[in-house]
Amino acid sequence: EVQVVESGGGLVKPGGSLRLSCAASGFTFSSYSMDWVRQAPGKGLEWVSSISSGSRYMYYADSVKGRFTISRDNAKNSLYLQMNSLRAEDTAVYYCAREVRVKGTRSDAFDIWGQGTMVTVSS
Amino acid sequence: QSVLTQPPSASGTPGQRVTISCSGSSSNIGSNTVNWYQQLPGTAPKLLIYVNNQRPSGVPDRFSGSKSGTSASLAISGLQSEDEADYYCAAWDDSLNGWVFGGGTKMTVL
Repeated sequence: EVQVVESGGGLVKPGGSLRLSCAASGFTFSSYSMDWVRQAPGKGLEWVSSISSGSRYMYYADSVKGRFTISRDNAKNSLYLQMNSLRAEDTAVYYCAREVRVKGTRSDAFDIWGQGTMVTVSS
Repeated sequence: QSVLTQPPSASGTPGQRVTISCSGSSSNIGSNTVNWYQQLPGTAPKLLIYVNNQRPSGVPDRFSGSKSGTSASLAISGLQSEDEADYYCAAWDDSLNGWVFGGGTKMTVL
């Protein structure tokens, strides 16, 4: 079964750090770009970060640039998000998503999502 | 404030056809394709429409998408109770160098 499973969420104080992990299975992880998308309680979806299949390209939302770092280990089929200098506004469910290139196009889409891991930033 | 603009809510009766709009700009919808995601209550988002109007395997043909200029639309025909969900549009933004989402539309089946 094709799936991604997030872990590592929890309660952290403002200014603290947390590392999220995403374990992929059922597909060739090294062939896909991967992303993190978050959703604050009762709010909409917000894209956080993206990493290309070979880690050559990384992109970040302005809201997390300089504080969050995305990385991956293709040998372990795993995606990571290192979150530093956490703020209350970072409180959200963090989803790991597979980004698929649509055949014959230059378009991508998030076709596989995990169940999410909750991050709460509070004193 | 989301980069893509969607109405916060929409509603219809069973069997009705309803549409959800998504408005953007030249740097996102105007130059890239649009995807739509469905999020049922308490669950993770699911890809509903990709590349403006394509349906993944398993998505009923009651769902359709379109794009014109800097706007896109999602249509649901033959509305069913199980279509009660939040719907999000998304596109890559060339200026921001990242993905942007609409604020989401909560669909209620009356």
